[in-house]
Amino acid sequence: GQSLEQPSEVTAVEGAIVQINCTYQTSGFYGLSWYQQHDGGAPTFLSYNALDGLEETGRFSSFLSRSDSYGYLLLQELQMKDSASYFCAVRTNQAGTALIFGKGTTLSVSS
Amino acid sequence: DSGVTQTPKHLITATGQRVTLRCSPRSGDLSVYWYQQSLDQGLQFLIQYYNGEERAKGNILERFSAQQFPDLHSELNLSSLELGDSALYFCASSGTSGGAGYEQFFGPGTRLTVL
Repeated sequence: GQSLEQPSEVTAVEGAIVQINCTYQTSGFYGLSWYQQHDGGAPTFLSYNALDGLEETGRFSSFLSRSDSYGYLLLQELQMKDSASYFCAVRTNQAGTALIFGKGTTLSVSS
Repeated sequence: DSGVTQTPKHLITATGQRVTLRCSPRSGDLSVYWYQQSLDQGLQFLIQYYNGEERAKGNILERFSAQQFPDLHSELNLSSLELGDSALYFCASSGTSGGAGYEQFFGPGTRLTVL
């Protein structure tokens, strides 16, 4: 089977840096994605890593280590609007090109 | 706005009933995915269609079925509904079934409440 583990909750203050970890167990791994979801809204794409290393997109960065089956999402210069749920998701050859999601991490940013 | 549309936005029905959820993908996207999001199970992949053909199945119950039509819109049919089927149902689309289409665009979802 496939499984993904990520913390259920993280709290931080505005301006801080937070890292959300994700470990996965799957076969036929293609890559790791991150999605953001605000309360009641649709998930929106943040990043995708297929190869080892760090990908940077503005205030957000994502990292992947295929040998450790591990990745993380790094959010810098946190803003109140970053309060949301963050999901890691794997693409594998077991599910077409669909995403298998972790249970999500709720990030609360306070002032 | 992702470009993916879903109707209806909300649906309230009774146990034992059957409902149909509709999704129109982004213009040009051939792949459509259905996901179920409930509080205890998170976002779960149900089924994928690519250009009218079923491509992959996830944790989809036998009471549920889907299809993708020639105009690429998709419908998810849920029958013999149970209380536990109450959830947010998302449709997503992507540009290709190959390796390049890793970004999925999600619709606003249909919130199903079974009473």
